[in-house]
Amino acid sequence: SAVISQKPSRDICQRGTSLTIQCQVDSQVTMMFWYRQQPGQSLTLIATANQGSEATYESGFVIDKFPISRPNLTFSTLTVSNMSPEDSSIYLCSVGDDRAPYGYTFGSGTRLTVV
Amino acid sequence: ELKVEQNPLFLSMQEGKNYTIYCNYSTTSDRLYWYRQDPGKSLESLFVLLSNGAVKQEGRLMASLDTKARLSTLHITAAVHDLSATYFCAVEDPYDKVIFGPGTSLSVIP
Repeated sequence: SAVISQKPSRDICQRGTSLTIQCQVDSQVTMMFWYRQQPGQSLTLIATANQGSEATYESGFVIDKFPISRPNLTFSTLTVSNMSPEDSSIYLCSVGDDRAPYGYTFGSGTRLTVV
Repeated sequence: ELKVEQNPLFLSMQEGKNYTIYCNYSTTSDRLYWYRQDPGKSLESLFVLLSNGAVKQEGRLMASLDTKARLSTLHITAAVHDLSATYFCAVEDPYDKVIFGPGTSLSVIP
């Protein structure tokens, strides 16, 4: 299955600043997904990122707050902008991998704390 | 809009016992996934169920899918402490988006 390298693994950020999270995949994939997991909660899909087109955001998430880039088929970034303590969560990227018997693969996650 | 439910949300079971976690979803889908998450870790894929009647087993875990009932089960046989984790089911909608259930936090106690 695909291997995803996600960076940073964790960060502590000041309120009002921005953080960019990177995901690098070891193979070309059409669709990449970004999720948020708030403490003790399930995963919520933020957006779907296809190469060469604008990301598609889910209800409750907007591009100004969570801009996404997808410059090629192996890389994507998610920026959390103008952060507040409510943005403290784990952020994960995911890819669908038709070669794998196990469906979607997830990055190791970025644990973000906003102070 | 696809919604995914799980029950129970919390499960404490003794080692050696059997139990079943249930996953219901609200709209038609023929792709369902089970994941495991250990504290502070990412998600580990357990099973992919792609058709009605699909059954898969790995060790002490067995998953099944009934697409007509929109129900999947994750059965645990003779639980051991190492199975303690949070288990998520996730369902793929017609637009290739994967929607997660709330998770079942499992504790296996001696």
